Amino acid sequence: GAVVSQHPSRVICKSGTSVKIECRSLDFQATTMFWYRQFPKQSLMLMATSNEGSKATYEQGVEKDKFLINHASLTLSTLTVTSAHPEDSSFYICSASPGTGGGEKLFFGSGTQLSVL
Amino acid sequence: GEDVEQSLFLSVREGDSSVINCTYTDSSSTYLYWYKQEPGAGLQLLTYIFSNMDMKQDQRLTVLLNKKDKHLSLRIADTQTGDSAIYFCAERIANNDMRFGAGTRLTVKP
Repeated sequence: GAVVSQHPSRVICKSGTSVKIECRSLDFQATTMFWYRQFPKQSLMLMATSNEGSKATYEQGVEKDKFLINHASLTLSTLTVTSAHPEDSSFYICSASPGTGGGEKLFFGSGTQLSVL
Repeated sequence: GEDVEQSLFLSVREGDSSVINCTYTDSSSTYLYWYKQEPGAGLQLLTYIFSNMDMKQDQRLTVLLNKKDKHLSLRIADTQTGDSAIYFCAERIANNDMRFGAGTRLTVKP
């Protein structure tokens, strides 16, 4: 089956530093990738939709200058949490779709647990 | 290969019950989840179950967990056309990684 690799799986950083999370589709080209955030026992919240070669589309309430998304190739999208603060501590998951993302199957990374001290 | 497996498609008639099945391989799962994805939208958490439970019911939704067989199912009673979506099974394992199935596309016919 299709594989999406996400790393790092966990990161601990000091407040004010930036953290980059990578999401790679290993055996298919992903025209669309999604970034989610999950708080404990809550649903995944879609943060942004990343389309290769164009700017990401951010959901309402998500600061695009805070969460920088770069989808530079058909197999790699990165999420950079800039100037991280303790309230950014959360579980971040990416998913990728080989299609337009309008209903095709999604394949998920295993998530990144970010802890900001 | 995937550690969480689901059937890819399910088609039912409106008013019937739907049962979506999922198998997983990691015995250290702590929580198991069912998510719903409607076209163009993000995942919506429908329900979750602790790994030490065997059943959870929430209105039209019933989750059954057979830990011995590592089998999870989601039953939707009185399925409606609005239930048409892709349903993802997911497990959270001991190191807190999440693993998702590929999703089951449920089609509800009037």
